[in-house]
Amino acid sequence: QVQLQQWGAGLLKPSETLSLNCAVYGGSFRGYYWSWIRQPPGKGLEWIGEIHHSGSTNYNPSLKSRVTISVDTSKKQFSLKMSSVTAADTAVYYCARLSYTEQMGNYFDYWGQGTLVTVSS
Amino acid sequence: DIQMTQSPSSLSASVGDRVTITCRASQTIARYLNWYQQKPGKAPKLLIYAASNLQSGVPSRFSGSGSGTDFTLTITSLQPEDFATYFCQQSYSSLLTFGRGTKVEIK
Repeated sequence: QVQLQQWGAGLLKPSETLSLNCAVYGGSFRGYYWSWIRQPPGKGLEWIGEIHHSGSTNYNPSLKSRVTISVDTSKKQFSLKMSSVTAADTAVYYCARLSYTEQMGNYFDYWGQGTLVTVSS
Repeated sequence: DIQMTQSPSSLSASVGDRVTITCRASQTIARYLNWYQQKPGKAPKLLIYAASNLQSGVPSRFSGSGSGTDFTLTITSLQPEDFATYFCQQSYSSLLTFGRGTKVEIK
């Protein structure tokens, strides 16, 4: 059974850098894209970006200038860094596995437990 | 960006009711549409992928249909554990986007 376990700092000041990590247990790490998604309190879901085990990345254009996603295949982990955070970045951040087939498209089939990141002075 | 519009934003229903939630894409997305269920304080859970394919372990009372721009999630005979928020998500575009959600509440 695939499990994603995430961790990182939950309280940041404006202008600081958000840093989160996600470890994958069970299943294959290779052959998938690994994503970050966020959800502001009481609101909907926003895809932040993804990384392939090979290191290839795709980012949401609205966040691309501030976001870096990296991978450590040997540890089956991937990470999110977001610079210059503001109160608008306050959200629950999720890591997730993105499965893909040409016929079925992409879908998030396994999720981490979520980390609430609060940005406040 | 492909905008995903869900309706209604919330609904009240009783146990045993048939519930239908719709999701409309701002442009055609073929059948690249997924549905998720989210309960308070929990991560979303995949219910349906590629418009109508039931994820393993999901009860058969959940079903999805549609193609192009209009999609539907149906719950036949609503159960107590189904009270939650439901999101649609398109994967036609490399910029993955979600609907704003439909909250299903107890009547």
